[in-house]
Amino acid sequence: QKEVEQNSGPLSVPEGAIASLNCTYSDRVSQSFFWYRQYSGKSPELIMSIYSNGDKEDGRFTAQLNKASQYVSLLIRDSQPSDSATYLCAVRVDSSYKLIFGSGTRLLVRP
Amino acid sequence: GAVVSQHPSRVICKSGTSVKIECRSLDFQATTMFWYRQFPKQSLMLMATSNEGSKATYEQGVEKDKFLINHASLTLSTLTVTSAHPEDSSFYICSARDKTGGPTGELFFGEGSRLTVL
Repeated sequence: QKEVEQNSGPLSVPEGAIASLNCTYSDRVSQSFFWYRQYSGKSPELIMSIYSNGDKEDGRFTAQLNKASQYVSLLIRDSQPSDSATYLCAVRVDSSYKLIFGSGTRLLVRP
Repeated sequence: GAVVSQHPSRVICKSGTSVKIECRSLDFQATTMFWYRQFPKQSLMLMATSNEGSKATYEQGVEKDKFLINHASLTLSTLTVTSAHPEDSSFYICSARDKTGGPTGELFFGEGSRLTVL
């Protein structure tokens, strides 16, 4: 069974700190990886996508992918209270483009 | 980014009735749309893949006769929850892929529809 695993949290960090969110996946052939942010009662919004091993930076966000370890992470620099949300890791597992989501990690940024 | 619109955003119905949720891609054509369900404090669970002009593909454990999916055009997919019961109360979210999109497969999500069955 194809799985995406995340620590449910909550991960609590002070404002201005770096928040590190982690995700592991079971299907070795997965090629596309996504991080979504979801505020309570709202739909997910795409934060980052990553397809190749290494780091990808976009503003305060950095996604890291290690396919050998089947591990993808999201770093949020200079965390803000507005970053407080649930972060969902999603993996595209085949050519159908459907995404399999992890259970999400709840992030709390303390003012 | 591309816009996907869902309607209604909230619906309350009586047990035994049917409810239809619409998912529209407003500025792109979507040959494939996906329907997810999310229970409180849980992640999104894929229910089915909706392909324009053909039958939907349902995930294991999802009753196709209870959750009717129609994808009649490149911009509209509908999910009908038939004979709804309180356990069907959930947040239903659709997502769509731009048919002109590349192999990376980014999906755009609708705003979600919260169904409450009394």
